Amino acid sequence: DTAVSQTPKYLVTQMGNDKSIKCEQNLGHDTMYWYKQDSKKFLKIMFSYNNKELIINETVPNRFSPKSPDKAHLNLHINSLELGDSAVYFCASSPGIFYEQYFGPGTRLTVT
Amino acid sequence: SQELEQSPQSLIVQEGKNLTINCTSSKTLYGLYWYKQKYGEGLIFLMMLQKGGEEKSHEKITAKLDEKKQQSSLHITASQPSHAGIYLCGARGGSEKLVFGKGTKLTVNP
Repeated sequence: DTAVSQTPKYLVTQMGNDKSIKCEQNLGHDTMYWYKQDSKKFLKIMFSYNNKELIINETVPNRFSPKSPDKAHLNLHINSLELGDSAVYFCASSPGIFYEQYFGPGTRLTVT
Repeated sequence: SQELEQSPQSLIVQEGKNLTINCTSSKTLYGLYWYKQKYGEGLIFLMMLQKGGEEKSHEKITAKLDEKKQQSSLHITASQPSHAGIYLCGARGGSEKLVFGKGTKLTVNP
């Protein structure tokens, strides 16, 4: 059973398109996150939701919008994709804000 | 903001050798997390250290936290090819945000 799952695993799209990445966790956790890992493997937090409430919103372009329909799901929608958005996006979840985080397998986004 | 520096950036060892990876924080550590990432996969949680002097072990991997030095070390004993991957440390500087180091790439040659 996959604890934190993401779809799709790979996403290739053209500049200007709008795309979504979905994340689901079956761990019963209250907190979920989106991270971006760039080409240099640097991992950086983008957003975090705790009980469906946005608690971390880093300096991310407005084109990125997270949505949490319920505690088990956190989706990431990206408008008007740019070349610089190419990266691996990781979803994670944790029992609470100050606990260890469990990561999904990542979504490799390539913008051409 | 808090920054974590990992050393070395990459490490190549022969199977069976011991090795140590260090993680140094620019600020006081409020919990230190170690993760492992294999190419094309997500991060696997290894262990969390919360108190100064704390030491945890899992199989052949031992992590220690030196709060005064704002530093943690990860030691692998008798390395195996299965230990290969990128090791990342993560920490909170008193906020909800988990900040990660840039990782240490470990290669274990058979």
